Amino acid sequence: DAKTTQPPSMDCAEGRAANLPCNHSTISGNEYVYWYRQIHSQGPQYIIHGLKNNETNEMASLIITEDRKSSTLILPHATLRDTAVYYCIVRPTLAGTYKYIFGTGTRLKVLA
Amino acid sequence: EAGVTQSPTHLIKTRGQQVTLRCSPISGHTSVYWYQQALGLGLQFLLWYDEGEERNRGNFPPRFSGRQFPNYSSELNVNALELEDSALYLCASSFMGQGADEQYFGPGTRLTVT
Repeated sequence: DAKTTQPPSMDCAEGRAANLPCNHSTISGNEYVYWYRQIHSQGPQYIIHGLKNNETNEMASLIITEDRKSSTLILPHATLRDTAVYYCIVRPTLAGTYKYIFGTGTRLKVLA
Repeated sequence: EAGVTQSPTHLIKTRGQQVTLRCSPISGHTSVYWYQQALGLGLQFLLWYDEGEERNRGNFPPRFSGRQFPNYSSELNVNALELEDSALYLCASSFMGQGADEQYFGPGTRLTVT
């Protein structure tokens, strides 16, 4: 299973874009990149996922480098409610291997 | 649309006892996953059930077990509780457990073992 590396913590000013990096240099061709966040011991919340192309939804954008060895989650206009631990996960799509392996994540603090 | 539900929300047990945690997936989801999150630690994968069958298991001892019912709800059983079993137990569900299907998590059950 590919491992991910994220900075342990980041601060972001409210209203500014939050850019959360993730390194997954051992990712293989059949592995998706997923992002989740967990707000203070609640269940993790799905944000976005992608395979090769950049993705955008109502919550965030996901930028994946061309070699797929790293990605960045972008929260375009961070609010105080975005303060959470953000997890970057790579997950294979092969049958029988759909479990998530969570790392330690990035603790994002949005500052007023 | 109702999300993943878990019961109970909190539970206190003593060492050596047994506990059963319950999870109801989102309607239409056939896969249920269980994770353990001990205080200050990350989420650890426990079990994955799909269509009533155990499909994958994390690195946990056999006293952690579970099952999935025909309505796709699931139970997690922990026997011979130990102090280090104190944790937030999270259940997630997904559709068919295939490919890029994202998992949706419930609020968790916080288990305290004394």
